[in-house]
Amino acid sequence: KQEVTQIPAALSVPEGENLVLNCSFTDSAIYNLQWFRQDPGKGLTSLLLIQSSQREQTSGRLNASLDKSSGRSTLYIAASQPGDSATYLCAGDTGRRALTFGSGTRLQVQP
Amino acid sequence: DAGVIQSPRHEVTEMGQEVTLRCKPISGHDYLFWYRQTMMRGLELLIYFNNNVPIDDSGMPEDRFSAKMPNASFSTLKIQPSEPRDSAVYFCASKVGLNNQPQHFGDGTRLSIL
Repeated sequence: KQEVTQIPAALSVPEGENLVLNCSFTDSAIYNLQWFRQDPGKGLTSLLLIQSSQREQTSGRLNASLDKSSGRSTLYIAASQPGDSATYLCAGDTGRRALTFGSGTRLQVQP
Repeated sequence: DAGVIQSPRHEVTEMGQEVTLRCKPISGHDYLFWYRQTMMRGLELLIYFNNNVPIDDSGMPEDRFSAKMPNASFSTLKIQPSEPRDSAVYFCASKVGLNNQPQHFGDGTRLSIL
């Protein structure tokens, strides 16, 4: 059974800092890994999806990497802004199309 | 394009009452998922459908929970009878069945059972 862990649980940084969010998973037979953003009282917004055959994906200031052999993914946020404040969740798909979620990292970017 | 639409956004009801949550997936998506989010357990999959057929309902907590998808554009999640421990945010999500396509989530239904 896939288990997904995210560290740290919470992070507070000053504006402009580059930061890394970590995600680890137990089942290396992963089809893809997705990163989501959740704002308070809202649903989840998909940020990046990395297929098992890929090593990384980039969208604007976001870069996500995937290392299946070590069971790890990272989300890199460059030049953080107060608008980046949210909870970031990673989730793995082991082929059944449903996702197993981590518990999230709550990010606060201080102006 | 309209995203995944859930209703109601908020529901407050008394213990023992029947609760019905509704979801309209994105047109053309062949997978539909129901998740539940709580502070204690995070986001958990309850059930998912492919082409309107339930594929995996192992996450449904008890027989009090049931879900249906009568057609490609509508799904319901029903709790009968409801209990205070069912209080949570319930999310519906849909996706196209290709590996490189993400899931799209609705805004959720915040359910409070008194």
